Amino acid sequence: NAGVTQTPKFRILKIGQSMTLQCTQDMNHNYMYWYRQDPGMGLKLIYYSVGAGITDKGEVPNGYNVSRSTTEDFPLRLELAAPSQTSVYFCASSYGQLITEAFFGQGTRLTVV
Amino acid sequence: DQQVKQNSPSLSVQEGRISILNCDYTNSMFDYFLWYKKYPAEGPTFLISISSIKDKNEDGRFTVFLNKSAKHLSLHIVPSQPGDSAVYFCAASETSGTYKYIFGTGTRLKVLA
Repeated sequence: NAGVTQTPKFRILKIGQSMTLQCTQDMNHNYMYWYRQDPGMGLKLIYYSVGAGITDKGEVPNGYNVSRSTTEDFPLRLELAAPSQTSVYFCASSYGQLITEAFFGQGTRLTVV
Repeated sequence: DQQVKQNSPSLSVQEGRISILNCDYTNSMFDYFLWYKKYPAEGPTFLISISSIKDKNEDGRFTVFLNKSAKHLSLHIVPSQPGDSAVYFCAASETSGTYKYIFGTGTRLKVLA
């Protein structure tokens, strides 16, 4: 059982480039989340989704876009990469509607140079 | 504004002693609280949770205490083991709302052998 899978694990981008961070879960969870972790700053919520076709902004959404066309997938798009987006990105999912925990992927370490 | 705060960035404890990690929150609508453990280069993993209808929840060596009037929760680890050395995040959620999890900045626990 794979759980939450993120790809790639590492990536270096040049300023102004774009990329998509992939996230897929096989637990049939309704809710999915994207977080970023900066050193000493904890986990900040970027975007979340409560189901296919529904997304909403979190605490730090600027510079990112998301889509949720299926229950399983929740890709995060960076259109114009900036050095401030250098971070470790975590995708997570939860069942929602009941008191449950979120399950996290292994993370994507992104460096923008 | 930081809705969930962990004011101690680090904590060192001798093996076999008690570790106490603290967390404060400001949003009175939060009613579900979780603790996650994170090792380097891995995603956070769920440790223990507590609903606001309780003031204590225990799971083996881990106990979470909730003081709603003070908007404070704590995680007790007894006895502490070297394998407990990790970064611990507390998180909070509104279960009547959108189930998004807001995280604190983390406390790095080091258990000394």
